[in-house]
Amino acid sequence: DQQVKQNSPSLSVQEGRISILNCDYTNSMFDYFLWYKKYPAEGPTFLISISSIKDKNEDGRFTVFLNKSAKHLSLHIVPSQPGDSAVYFCAASKTGNQFYFGTGTSLTVIP
Amino acid sequence: DADVTQTPRNRITKTGKRIMLECSQTKGHDRMYWYRQDPGLGLRLIYYSFDVKDINKGEISDGYSVSRQAQAKFSLSLESAIPNQTALYFCATSDFSGGRDEQYFGPGTRLTVT
Repeated sequence: DQQVKQNSPSLSVQEGRISILNCDYTNSMFDYFLWYKKYPAEGPTFLISISSIKDKNEDGRFTVFLNKSAKHLSLHIVPSQPGDSAVYFCAASKTGNQFYFGTGTSLTVIP
Repeated sequence: DADVTQTPRNRITKTGKRIMLECSQTKGHDRMYWYRQDPGLGLRLIYYSFDVKDINKGEISDGYSVSRQAQAKFSLSLESAIPNQTALYFCATSDFSGGRDEQYFGPGTRLTVT
C-alpha cells in the first residue's frame, strides 16, 4: 500500500505565478520529509527537506510546509520559472531509515 | 566527474538472461540504495545497504539480488530477467550524519527486457 501519495500527476502554471505541489502520507511514524526534482534522462536531485519538529522550511524560491495533523506536506515555488519544469517527488522516512517516495507530479511552467 | 555513476546507462536484454547493473560512488557515503522507477508508480526501493556488511530488502526485492563489494560499490543483479523488470533503475547514496539523510542519485540505467 502506498505510504506516500501525490494525487496530482501533472500541474501547469504560468511563469511568475506560484506553483503548489501536494503530498500526503499515511504513516504517523514518519518524521523527515524531502522533495526531489527530476529532469528527463537525469537522476532525481535533492531540493528541500523538513523535519517534523518544524512546520515550514524555506530555501530561496522554495518553501515546504508540513501539517502533521493532516499528514500533508506541500512545496511552494514562487515565482515559478520555465527551468522549474520537471517531475517533483516527495519522500518521507522515519529518521535514519529507508525513504518512501510518492508517484511524482510533473510541473510545466508556461513562459 | 559525477559523484554517483551507473553502468551501463542503457541495456536491452532477453528474457531469462542474467544481468548486472553496477553503481560506484566517490562521495564516501556508507549508505547505498537501488530503486526502480515505473510510470505512475514513482520510485520504489529494491535493496539497501547501510554499510559493507549490511544488506536489506526493500519493497520489491523479489527477482533481484545485490552485492556490496566495497564502501564505494553496490551492484544489482537480475538472475533471470523478465519483461516486467523493464524499468529505469537508480542507485543512490547517503551519509546519515547530523540527522540529515539526503540521498544522492546516479543518472539511471534504462533496462529493457524483451
